Amino acid sequence: AQSVTQLGSHVSVSEGALVLLRCNYSSSVPPYLFWYVQYPNQGLQLLLKYTSAATLVKGINGFEAEFKKSETSFHLTKPSAHMSDAAEYFCAVSPSGGYQKVTFGTGTKLQVIP
Amino acid sequence: DAGVTQSPTHLIKTRGQQVTLRCSPKSGHDTVSWYQQALGQGPQFIFQYYEEEERQRGNFPDRFSGHQFPNYSSELNVNALLLGDSALYLCASSSLLQGTGWEQYFGPGTRLTVT
Repeated sequence: AQSVTQLGSHVSVSEGALVLLRCNYSSSVPPYLFWYVQYPNQGLQLLLKYTSAATLVKGINGFEAEFKKSETSFHLTKPSAHMSDAAEYFCAVSPSGGYQKVTFGTGTKLQVIP
Repeated sequence: DAGVTQSPTHLIKTRGQQVTLRCSPKSGHDTVSWYQQALGQGPQFIFQYYEEEERQRGNFPDRFSGHQFPNYSSELNVNALLLGDSALYLCASSSLLQGTGWEQYFGPGTRLTVT
């Protein structure tokens, strides 16, 4: 069984400030981990993925995440927030290999204050 | 290259009715997964189709059924609609044959409202 917990349903940052969105996972097998972004009234877009290669993963739009097995964490960061980053972010986990059932967290809504 | 497309965009149904939602996967993809996203929640996995068969299923009742066609497109059917079925229904496609089944591309979703 797998699950992810996203800490903080709402996060506010000032434009130009560091963005940190937290995700902890639970998985009985080596996981694949993902961050997705969802803009209002749209589907989900894959930001980045961890698939057991490098533990520091770089994604689109300047986001990156670090897989820390000892902490069972996969936090999403961006050095400098932009107004266009305001959206909802979902952390997700799936087992590596085989048919891929992806389990999503409950989401974190990011607000960027000008 | 068209991405994942879904139809219709919006739908309003009455309790007890039946609904069919449609999804066309991204070109080159062979696997379709369906998710239900209630307001303010993360997507919940309904089921996944590959080679026209249901391969995995989430914790959804039998009122939710699906189909995959030879061209890889898919339908989601929901019978005996309940108010609680109101949600955004997302389709995602990926390629198990290419070994990237974990890389799911999502469509824009169908917003279903049950009154």
